[in-house]
Amino acid sequence: DTEVTQTPKHLVMGMTNKKSLKCEQHMGHRAMYWYKQKAKKPPELMFVYSYEKLSINESVPSRFSPECPNSSLLNLHLHALQPEDSALYLCASSPPGGGYEQYFGPGTRLTVT
Amino acid sequence: GENVEQHPSTLSVQEGDSAVIKCTYSDSASNYFPWYKQELGKRPQLIIDIRSNVGEKKDQRIAVTLNKTAKHFSLHITETQPEDSAVYFCAASYQGDDKIIFGKGTRLHILP
Repeated sequence: DTEVTQTPKHLVMGMTNKKSLKCEQHMGHRAMYWYKQKAKKPPELMFVYSYEKLSINESVPSRFSPECPNSSLLNLHLHALQPEDSALYLCASSPPGGGYEQYFGPGTRLTVT
Repeated sequence: GENVEQHPSTLSVQEGDSAVIKCTYSDSASNYFPWYKQELGKRPQLIIDIRSNVGEKKDQRIAVTLNKTAKHFSLHITETQPEDSAVYFCAASYQGDDKIIFGKGTRLHILP
């Protein structure tokens, strides 16, 4: 299985809501990533987990809270988001250590109203 | 830190012609250079990659060349087809760093 799955596909939330995005892979990859992608822009790295530990946080606001419950799952908890946070949120996985292909999930299209 | 520049930002070619997209990188430690294709509304998908111990790699109609001295690498698509229309991102990374740095992307239009 070479697929990364993400749920939900679409999410609309108000600025006071709390929601979570979920990502799953069964390729045995020990590095997992969250990216934010705005229209016509490249993916922008948010967080990296390596061996289930947070290894990179690209100075992301605390209203985004990542979690890696086990080696197959990655969550992104959302709270008190702003309209400018509306974007496509992509999860990816790869073998750890850098220098490998990253496999992307289909993304969650998030709209903050 | 690493910086990846990508040109052009938009490219239109006649179906059947070739397309070339160029990228430069700044960090001489980078040794892995993937190219991702992203169709509208879809996920980025790897189409080809190259490591720094190789100067050229080819897969059917797609080829990538790497010049380590000049720190640039290029994607070549020959005999372009309508399904090649997409946004293409180059990227750079190195072993020891989980982060990959993307270029800003090239929107490729294949004209009938």
